[in-house]
Amino acid sequence: AQKVTQAQTEISVVEKEDVTLDCVYETRDTTYYLFWYKQPPSGELVFLIRRNSFDEQNEISGRYSWNFQKSTSSFNFTITASQVVDSAVYFCALSEGTVNQAGTALIFGKGTTLSVSS
Amino acid sequence: ETGVTQSPTHLIKTRGQQVTLRCSSQSGHNTVSWYQQALGQGPQFIFQYYREEENGRGNFPPRFSGLQFPNYSSELNVNALELDDSALYLCASTPGRGSLGTDTQYFGPGTRLTVL
Repeated sequence: AQKVTQAQTEISVVEKEDVTLDCVYETRDTTYYLFWYKQPPSGELVFLIRRNSFDEQNEISGRYSWNFQKSTSSFNFTITASQVVDSAVYFCALSEGTVNQAGTALIFGKGTTLSVSS
Repeated sequence: ETGVTQSPTHLIKTRGQQVTLRCSSQSGHNTVSWYQQALGQGPQFIFQYYREEENGRGNFPPRFSGLQFPNYSSELNVNALELDDSALYLCASTPGRGSLGTDTQYFGPGTRLTVL
């Protein structure tokens, strides 16, 4: 069965520190998609990135970078030079590449709460 | 801004009552999904609709039902409310078919439901 594990429940850092959020996933499919979402206190889930299982290239977007490693089933997210505005709950999610009984559900981890202090 | 709106923002009901939550997707987004997020947890998939038909369902009982309308709006109905139904309910829309997991789901701000 599909599963997403975010082992870090809470992380606290001081501004300008780098921080890495871990995500480990389980799936039997060879085609799947991985996502990261940010949930600020307002509650809305903000899409950050989507990667497919055939593309293991790391990606960088400004201060954000993602490291996808199929060998360890991990899709980690690093924020460089963190800022107070980065404080939020971050979710990793998995979607499989075949239509199944559950449609195309996103399977979420339990989230990591990041607190950045000034 | 995702262009996905939800109403109401907050809602308080009592056990046994029925509730209807609403979602308005972006124009052209044919697929809508609903999720339940309990406090301190990740969102859990309830069901998905594509062109007004249910396209998949998670592990939720039949008292959770939905509708999707041609104008890209949708509803989540919950009958016989239980205390455990207290949660944030999130609606997400997808620009395409939603199949193969290829399309990104864009979320609305959610409706906070409290059942007393």
